[in-house]
Amino acid sequence: LAKTTQPISMDSYEGQEVNITCSHNNIATNDYITWYQQFPSQGPRFIIQGYKTKVTNEVASLFIPADRKSSTLSLPRVSLSDTAVYYCLPRRGNTPLVFGKGTRLSVIA
Amino acid sequence: SAVISQKPSRDICQRGTSLTIQCQVDSQVTMMFWYRQQPGQSLTLIATANQGSEATYESGFVIDKFPISRPNLTFSTLTVSNMSPEDSSIYLCSAGGGADNQPQHFGDGTRLSIL
Repeated sequence: LAKTTQPISMDSYEGQEVNITCSHNNIATNDYITWYQQFPSQGPRFIIQGYKTKVTNEVASLFIPADRKSSTLSLPRVSLSDTAVYYCLPRRGNTPLVFGKGTRLSVIA
Repeated sequence: SAVISQKPSRDICQRGTSLTIQCQVDSQVTMMFWYRQQPGQSLTLIATANQGSEATYESGFVIDKFPISRPNLTFSTLTVSNMSPEDSSIYLCSAGGGADNQPQHFGDGTRLSIL
């Protein structure tokens, strides 16, 4: 599976839109991109998954350009409760997820 | 989405003893996995729990230390054997994924401390 690179940490004020970009230069043709959120003392929680272009759900949007070498998770109007670690992960069929270091997002009042 | 329950949620154990962690999924799943997470660190895959056959271990993890059972499509156990303080960690069960593009889901983990 492709190696991913994302910022170690980000800070944001409440109410702002947060964009976390992940690079995955060597992503394979049949890999999807998934994003997970993890709070302290909890397991990772699935947020969103996409293959190309844009995917939106009630929590976030995911933008994947045509070359698929990067993806951007967009969190609209963050609140203090969005403070967590966010992981970008390529996903392929039956292959288990392999976690990188993730991005620690701190939302400030 | 699958709901995953782990027992115990936490335990404090003496070195040299063994502990078995149970993972129950509320629906039948093809794939189940076990991960370890040190405090402040990312998750590391221990093994894939295969139903009806031996688990597939990642580099650095062996069956004698981390025996795994998968008796059916909704249940798995991970045993941490002959524990030492270095085994203190959070152990997480995961299920799902597969060829139908369903995401993997995670339990909330078992926090293990070895004295």
